[in-house]
Amino acid sequence: KAGVTQTPRYLIKTRGQQVTLSCSPISGHRSVSWYQQTPGQGLQFLFEYFSETQRNKGNFPGRFSGRQFSNSRSEMNVSTLELGDSALYLCASSSQGVLETQYFGPGTRLLVL
Amino acid sequence: GNSVTQMEGPVTLSEEAFLTINCTYTATGYPSLFWYVQYPGEGLQLLLKATKADDKGSNKGFEATYRKETTSFHLEKGSVQVSDSAVYFCALRRESSASKIIFGSGTRLSIRP
Repeated sequence: KAGVTQTPRYLIKTRGQQVTLSCSPISGHRSVSWYQQTPGQGLQFLFEYFSETQRNKGNFPGRFSGRQFSNSRSEMNVSTLELGDSALYLCASSSQGVLETQYFGPGTRLLVL
Repeated sequence: GNSVTQMEGPVTLSEEAFLTINCTYTATGYPSLFWYVQYPGEGLQLLLKATKADDKGSNKGFEATYRKETTSFHLEKGSVQVSDSAVYFCALRRESSASKIIFGSGTRLSIRP
């Protein structure tokens, strides 16, 4: 099976712009979670989507949003970018159920200038 | 609240040395515990996991045992290789919030030839 894919891999934006990142889960996986990784804050959970519904949400401002499509592909959007949004954004997918293992993609590295 | 504490890095060892990376956790109930590894420029890979007390997870020569009495999940390897150089993350996931993984701050490991 192909792994989790994320596009684009690298992105440069300026403050105030918005950005959309994409994640394609492993075939058959219905859950997609997003994480932000920064040197200062480490890895932090953003949100999780399961069957097109947001099932869980971390402590991020409303500028961070996401959605999931019927084919389980997910997008996350960040509006009004700030310098502090520069990070590696990781997507993880899992099948379903409480104890399923999450598989991570390679990440999208976002730089905000 | 739920949290994971792991030893500060960086850890530098010579090839074939014994490795221990300490990890302790705080959580109610019976969380699942994980070790993830992140190689330079890549996303996270699941290294091993344990879902109940006294379980031992193992993979690629790495081992960790779920110790509920000491709330610990220390990572060990008997003989490290240069290729093991990476950042290692200890993590937990509670059953009540199965999609949300809580990560430790990561420990950077460097192996000298």
